[in-house]
Amino acid sequence: SQKIEQNSEALNIQEGKTATLTCNYTNYSPAYLQWYRQDPGRGPVFLLLIRENEKEKRKERLKVTFDTTLKQSLFHITASQPADSATYLCALSYNTDKLIFGTGTRLQVFP
Amino acid sequence: GAGVSQSPSNKVTEKGKDVELRCDPISGHTALYWYRQSLGQGLEFLIYFQGNSAPDKSGLPSDRFSAERTGGSVSTLTIQRTQQEDSAVYLCASSLSRVNGAFFGQGTRLTVV
Repeated sequence: SQKIEQNSEALNIQEGKTATLTCNYTNYSPAYLQWYRQDPGRGPVFLLLIRENEKEKRKERLKVTFDTTLKQSLFHITASQPADSATYLCALSYNTDKLIFGTGTRLQVFP
Repeated sequence: GAGVSQSPSNKVTEKGKDVELRCDPISGHTALYWYRQSLGQGLEFLIYFQGNSAPDKSGLPSDRFSAERTGGSVSTLTIQRTQQEDSAVYLCASSLSRVNGAFFGQGTRLTVV
């Protein structure tokens, strides 16, 4: 079955640096790959979506890349701020709208 | 409403009792999802509804779990004969289509004692 892997260890970076989070998957590539942010005690919030035939997508300080050869997506936050501290989840969908989530990576940005 | 609404926000129940969790999706959203999240864990897929199609129930952990979506809108997740391992946050989400992302409710925190 399809497996989605995100680094379970927290990522700690200094304010102003670029945070890079990784999402790896097994088997076949999804049609769509999404990234979400989740704060403690709250539901995930949709951030960005990238399609299988897209290499890169940007939104303000966020950038997502999608490499179907490596079976990997990278999520970048440039000029990171303490307010960016949260858990970031990737999610995949294939030939239907069914969304499968990774376990998430916790990001901590310290001043 | 403007967002996905879930009720109750918290539910404490005794082991063996049945519980019903409700989700009001965003109006017009055809896709509706239920997930379960245990403390410090990721989102576990439970069930997915898309329009009038048969739901994808492949994530339901046992036959004690069932879900309905009436009139293509409100959904109810029912857990029968609750067990302590059912304790978790149950999250509902809705989506207009897979190119738009999913919008989540605040979740129902279920505690089985």
